[in-house]
Amino acid sequence: AQTVTQSQPEMSVQEAETVTLSCTYDTSESDYYLFWYKQPPSRQMILVIRQEAYKQQNATENRFSVNFQKAAKSFSLKISDSQLGDAAMYFCAYRSARKSSGDKLTFGTGTRLAVRP
Amino acid sequence: DTAVSQTPKYLVTQMGNDKSIKCEQNLGHDTMYWYKQDSKKFLKIMFSYNNKELIINETVPNRFSPKSPDKAHLNLHINSLELGDSAVYFCASSTGWGNEKLFFGSGTQLSVL
Repeated sequence: AQTVTQSQPEMSVQEAETVTLSCTYDTSESDYYLFWYKQPPSRQMILVIRQEAYKQQNATENRFSVNFQKAAKSFSLKISDSQLGDAAMYFCAYRSARKSSGDKLTFGTGTRLAVRP
Repeated sequence: DTAVSQTPKYLVTQMGNDKSIKCEQNLGHDTMYWYKQDSKKFLKIMFSYNNKELIINETVPNRFSPKSPDKAHLNLHINSLELGDSAVYFCASSTGWGNEKLFFGSGTQLSVL
C-alpha cells in the first residue's frame, strides 16, 4: 500500500518570503499522480498543484511550484512571495495510475502553514 | 451554483442514533467519494462510487452504508453512532482517473455526544 509522509506538522513564513513544504511517499508503482491540496480555516479543500510521475518537468502554478524527485520519492511544494491568504493546512496526496488500485487519493498528515505579517 | 453540495454542514447527535448526510454534484462527474477527516486532520477515503457502482470500500464498519440513487448523488447513512465517529465527512467528485482533480464539498462536521 502507498503511504505519504509530511514530516513538518507546522511551518511559519514571513509575508513575501519563500517557504518549502516537504512530502515523501512510498510506492512500488512507476506511474502515478501527485497533488498538493490546501485547506484554509473555511474547511474547503482546494487543489493547489498536481504532477504526473511520467513528466520530468516540475509543475508550476503562479507562485506555487514543486520539486519532484522521482528516484527519491520526494514531492515538495515551494510557495514564493507568501501572502496572508496562504495560511492553511497543506496536504500532499498520491493517486495510483492503475485502475485495479481503485480511484482514491492517499493523503499525508498535513502541514499547517502560518504566515506572519 | 455550488459544484458539490453536502448537507447538513453541522450535525450534533447522541450515541446510538442513526443519521444521514446527503451529497449532490452538478458537474456531470461519474465518480463520487466519501472521505473522513479525524480530529488530527487526517483525511482517509471511505468509499468511492462510479456510475452508482461501489468501487472502493476501505475497511469501514458496516454501520456506514453509502447509497447512490443516481450518479449525481451519494448519501452516507450511519447507524448506531459511536463517539469515535465524530469527524468531518467530505463528499467529493471527479471525472475519474488520472490527474483529474477532486471537487470537494464543504464538509459535514459530525459530533457524537
